[in-house]
Amino acid sequence: AQTVTQSQPEMSVQEAETVTLSCTYDTSESDYYLFWYKQPPSRQMILVIRQEAYKQQNATENRFSVNFQKAAKSFSLKISDSQLGDAAMYFCAYLKTSYDKVIFGPGTSLSVIP
Amino acid sequence: EAQVTQNPRYLITVTGKKLTVTCSQNMNHEYMSWYRQDPGLGLRQIYYSMNVEVTDKGDVPEGYKVSRKEKRNFPLILESPSPNQTSLYFCASSSSAGGNSNQPQHFGDGTRLSIL
Repeated sequence: AQTVTQSQPEMSVQEAETVTLSCTYDTSESDYYLFWYKQPPSRQMILVIRQEAYKQQNATENRFSVNFQKAAKSFSLKISDSQLGDAAMYFCAYLKTSYDKVIFGPGTSLSVIP
Repeated sequence: EAQVTQNPRYLITVTGKKLTVTCSQNMNHEYMSWYRQDPGLGLRQIYYSMNVEVTDKGDVPEGYKVSRKEKRNFPLILESPSPNQTSLYFCASSSSAGGNSNQPQHFGDGTRLSIL
């Protein structure tokens, strides 16, 4: 069965600095999707970034980028120039195919220090 | 405005009293799903639906029922709630399970259920 692991329950970063959140997953599939979601205190779930496994190029969305290492089954999220609004719970998620169940990791709580 | 609407937002009830959490989306999405969120466990999928009259179990379906009689609605039913179902619940919808860059999964605002 597929699993998603986030080994850092909590992390902190100084404002304007860069932080990397780790995620590893276990799968025997060759094609799949990976996601990072942000959940601020408002409880909203917000998609941060999406990566398709067949694409070698790492996805980037403004200050957010990923380091996708398919062989190592690693999918880390890098947040550059951290802002106070980045403080939230971040979830890594895996999806096998377009019509299948989504598997989330346990989350990493990120604090941003002014 | 594109949105997923869940009701109620908060509910405190007692063991064994049937309850329904409604979920409605206005984006004509085919894929809808329910998750529960518990500390240290992230979000776990309860049920999902690929289209009308098509539903499938997620990772934690025990104690829950769903139906998909119309494309826009996907209610979650707890026939006989128990304290271990106390949790934060999210409904989500998308054009497909993962969505795409232009149409990611849309989540509702969550429903906090407390079963005493």
